Amino acid sequence: EVVMTQSPATLSVSPGERVTLSCRASQSVSINLAWYQQKPGQAPRLLIYGASTRATGIPARFSGSGSGTEFTLTISSLQSEDSAVYYCQQSKDWPPDTFGQGTKVEIK
Amino acid sequence: QVHLEESGPGLVKPSETLSLTCSVSGGSITDKISYWTWVRQPPGKGLEWIGNVFYTGTTYLKSSLKSRVTMSMDASTNQFSLTLTSVTAADTSVYYCARLFCSAECALDSWGQGMLVTVSS
Repeated sequence: EVVMTQSPATLSVSPGERVTLSCRASQSVSINLAWYQQKPGQAPRLLIYGASTRATGIPARFSGSGSGTEFTLTISSLQSEDSAVYYCQQSKDWPPDTFGQGTKVEIK
Repeated sequence: QVHLEESGPGLVKPSETLSLTCSVSGGSITDKISYWTWVRQPPGKGLEWIGNVFYTGTTYLKSSLKSRVTMSMDASTNQFSLTLTSVTAADTSVYYCARLFCSAECALDSWGQGMLVTVSS
């Protein structure tokens, strides 16, 4: 089973700042990596798939990069509405049953 | 994207069976590049993948839940379902149904709003 590890657990950032979230896989998942955003009381929303492709309707300030075992989600200029928990998930190893534990982004 | 909606009882007694249904609209559950998925989230915790079902009826289930989980689909109603037997308080979660859409890569691109299921006597 592929283990996904996200860091940091929590991030407190001022509006307008650049945010970088990390996701590491215990073995290579190529580019089979997705990122999700979950706000309180809501279902997760797909942000990025294929490690770097933005999903439909996702603002350009969200970008993903990486391949193999190291991945990054970047928010170029944090907005107040970006306060959420962010999860990564691999889909290389079947079934794709592993999520990272999440990174909570808080607004200062 | 498609629209998904979970339905079922919100309260289940310990040792009994949890049954949920997901209704899909805006797409067919028999399409050949989607896996119909259940994910749960205990209160205050992270996401846990339960399993998925393909249009052929093939299921892929989390190993630790496999002995208690059944998934099925009904093409005539465009619904798929989850059954979890012998529930305990540890199964109390928000249960989400979702579509795992697999083009070049796979991702959960559509989610239901989630349904809180509480296990309590």
